[in-house]
Amino acid sequence: AQSVTQLDSQVPVFEEAPVELRCNYSSSVSVYLFWYVQYPNQGLQLLLKYLSGSTLVESINGFEAEFNKSQTSFHLRKPSVHISDTAEYFCAVSWDTGNQFYFGTGTSLTVIP
Amino acid sequence: DTEVTQTPKHLVMGMTNKKSLKCEQHMGHRAMYWYKQKAKKPPELMFVYSYEKLSINESVPSRFSPECPNSSLLNLHLHALQPEDSALYLCASSQLGGAHNEQFFGPGTRLTVL
Repeated sequence: AQSVTQLDSQVPVFEEAPVELRCNYSSSVSVYLFWYVQYPNQGLQLLLKYLSGSTLVESINGFEAEFNKSQTSFHLRKPSVHISDTAEYFCAVSWDTGNQFYFGTGTSLTVIP
Repeated sequence: DTEVTQTPKHLVMGMTNKKSLKCEQHMGHRAMYWYKQKAKKPPELMFVYSYEKLSINESVPSRFSPECPNSSLLNLHLHALQPEDSALYLCASSQLGGAHNEQFFGPGTRLTVL
């Protein structure tokens, strides 16, 4: 069976501290991986994606994620968080069988001043 | 234009009302989606349109009726809703032709059913 797991439902972290949000998937076929962010009362915005090639992908606002095939993971990291990073983060996976996305349950990141 | 727009932003309706949600994109995407999202939960897929034809219906109750009048527009007609249908309704679009295509989301319509 194919699934997406975000183990941490809530992650509080102090401002300027590093953070890692975990995402694991299970699949027997090739996957495409995405991280979306949702700020309060807004829609989802793409943060970064892994399609192929370099396993480390970066976003313009300092986040990065590394695709690890052997551990079936796509964890999101940021070395120093800001108050403005407070949001809900969703990992999403799609498979070659169609256009559908499968979302993880989300991680609520709260940055504490 | 890389934006998906949705109207209205907020909607309050009674259980006997009929209303419609609208979604528009001008990115030339030929796949469009409706999602339902409850607070602190991930989006749940409701419908997928490919080339203006309904390709996926995730067993959504018939009180939700989607419509895709052209390649840029997507509507969701609502009738006889229940209070548990209160949620954020998100529209998204993407290119067709591969699961690697990211989905672009609109800001959503916050629906409250009284």
